[in-house]
Amino acid sequence: DIQMTQSPSTVSASVGDRLTITCRASQSISGWLAWYQQKPGRAPKLLIYKASSLDSGVPSRFSGSGSGTEFTLTISSLQPDDVATYYCQQYNSYSPLTFGQGTKVEIK
Amino acid sequence: QLQLQESGPGLVKPSETLSLTCVVSGDSISSSSYYWGWVRLAPGKGLEWIGSIFYSGSTYYNPSLKSRVTISVDTSKTHFSLRLTSVTAADTAVYYCARLPRGITYFDNWGQGTLVTVSS
Repeated sequence: DIQMTQSPSTVSASVGDRLTITCRASQSISGWLAWYQQKPGRAPKLLIYKASSLDSGVPSRFSGSGSGTEFTLTISSLQPDDVATYYCQQYNSYSPLTFGQGTKVEIK
Repeated sequence: QLQLQESGPGLVKPSETLSLTCVVSGDSISSSSYYWGWVRLAPGKGLEWIGSIFYSGSTYYNPSLKSRVTISVDTSKTHFSLRLTSVTAADTAVYYCARLPRGITYFDNWGQGTLVTVSS
């Protein structure tokens, strides 16, 4: 299986800050990566697919980049509504779908 | 508007079988554009893919659970189901059903989730 490792596990930032979360794959997954936002007690919400494609209705302050084994999710200006846990997920062909362990985003 | 809704017992005894159903409304399970799947979130853990199914009945399972999992789609194509046998406390989790566009890829729509506790 392809292992996905996110860093940091928790991050605390101020409103308006630029925030970056990293996701590393144990082998190349090309650009087959998605990012999700999950708020407590809620279902995960798709933010980004194919590494950098923003899902419909997702605010433009969210962006994704990367390819191969290293990927990033960036929030350009952190808002209170962004408090959540963020997960990456790979969908490389012929491999079981796997998620990162999650990154919890808090407001200072 | 697509909606997915999980249902099933909230408490299952150890060694028994967990059974959940996901009712799909606002779209057809028979659409050739989508797969359908199950994901779970155990306390203190991350998300775990359980498996996925196409309307034709083709299934894809997480190898770590494959020996205990069966996902099926009903013949009227209004819902799909999950069976997990020989459950233990480690199977306690919130179970989500979700839609996958374009094959075994990512999940673009999710149900609200249902908590299943394994306890005697």
